[in-house]
Amino acid sequence: DTGVSQNPRHKITKRGQNVTFRCDPISEHNRLYWYRQTLGQGPEFLTYFQNEAQLEKSRLLSDRFSAERPKGSFSTLEIQRTEQGDSAMYLCASSPRERNTEAFFGQGTRLTVV
Amino acid sequence: LAKTTQPISMDSYEGQEVNITCSHNNIATNDYITWYQQFPSQGPRFIIQGYKTKVTNEVASLFIPADRKSSTLSLPRVSLSDTAVYYCLVVQYSGAGSYQLTFGKGTKLSVIP
Repeated sequence: DTGVSQNPRHKITKRGQNVTFRCDPISEHNRLYWYRQTLGQGPEFLTYFQNEAQLEKSRLLSDRFSAERPKGSFSTLEIQRTEQGDSAMYLCASSPRERNTEAFFGQGTRLTVV
Repeated sequence: LAKTTQPISMDSYEGQEVNITCSHNNIATNDYITWYQQFPSQGPRFIIQGYKTKVTNEVASLFIPADRKSSTLSLPRVSLSDTAVYYCLVVQYSGAGSYQLTFGKGTKLSVIP
């Protein structure tokens, strides 16, 4: 399967701990997106990379959140000092240069902060 | 930001055609209309995209009137496996060849045997 891969699939952490998620996009897709989704809601945009450059960040992305895509391939999303309100599904998507209106999503990482 | 409005939920019997309509009154000239499907505990999956008139693929059809202020996703002969949330998106041009995908709350389709 050459789709978008996210790890881990599930993460349970104690409040105040730091967590890091990884996303491996489809090979050669130059655009990579992070979204957050809570129960009953649609995915909310967090941030977007074009190659290694982070071009856009949502106001939802507080200073506890940081995302990187160091070599323009995989990306990581780190949440520092987690809070219970951070509990959500974190989705990664990628899109190709020639069809950048279509995003391919991974299966997400479900974070539970206890 | 182009806001979309679609029904919160719909029910349909197996084998019927389902039409889900979405309104997007402030769509801009460079924007596209896209529909995604999402099953529980999975990421959204692209279904179909259009700019105007009608688009058809192996999964669905998309009807867009001339004013582009609404669109209708048509699913022919639904089965139980089509039970999912369907999102209508206006994919907005955000400059430098980039587009922004903004999701609403979607329509929860329940297919009944």
